[in-house]
Amino acid sequence: AQKVTQAQTEISVVEKEDVTLDCVYETRDTTYYLFWYKQPPSGELVFLIRRNSFDEQNEISGRYSWNFQKSTSSFNFTITASQVVDSAVYFCALSEADTGNQFYFGTGTSLTVIP
Amino acid sequence: DTEVTQTPKHLVMGMTNKKSLKCEQHMGHRAMYWYKQKAKKPPELMFVYSYEKLSINESVPSRFSPECPNSSLLNLHLHALQPEDSALYLCASSRTGVVTPASPLHFGNGTRLTVT
Repeated sequence: AQKVTQAQTEISVVEKEDVTLDCVYETRDTTYYLFWYKQPPSGELVFLIRRNSFDEQNEISGRYSWNFQKSTSSFNFTITASQVVDSAVYFCALSEADTGNQFYFGTGTSLTVIP
Repeated sequence: DTEVTQTPKHLVMGMTNKKSLKCEQHMGHRAMYWYKQKAKKPPELMFVYSYEKLSINESVPSRFSPECPNSSLLNLHLHALQPEDSALYLCASSRTGVVTPASPLHFGNGTRLTVT
């Protein structure tokens, strides 16, 4: 079973629009960790944000914000005022405390920001 | 700039060749990982070294042979590969052997491998 689901395969937005990337996860652990990574065409996976299961406080960091809701098992990520440099594939990922070395990636959402 | 360095950036090899991918980090991380990523797919875990010992081998064929000479270096030795092994190979490290928000995975730029 897929532990992390990113239903949006591809998204295109016009520059300066806001865009939200959806992520739904599945776990039986009470302690787990959620992450978002960005992968530009260069290939490197860049770590963006992280959250643990005990902290549902939603935060804003610059143009990035995230909405963590345990009730719906969702960890959505929003980019405000998108820029062309935001064009990349974005991966949501889950790590469970019981299997700490396992890092479950979602299938990724390819974001294209059109100038 | 990434703090996990991978060489080479690109590699083309024949099916009878022997080559090695190299990964280096100087962040004092104690766990290092090899991932394989095909186009338009998420990375797939291959191997994990925790405190210089192989802790996870995700049923990877023996034509891929990992080596961790010390806590800063990770190699992936390649021999008799198949064309379907062509992919982006990503190295990662984490501060401890457990991936948490305090110890997230840090990835390198990857090696784009083409097997002809």
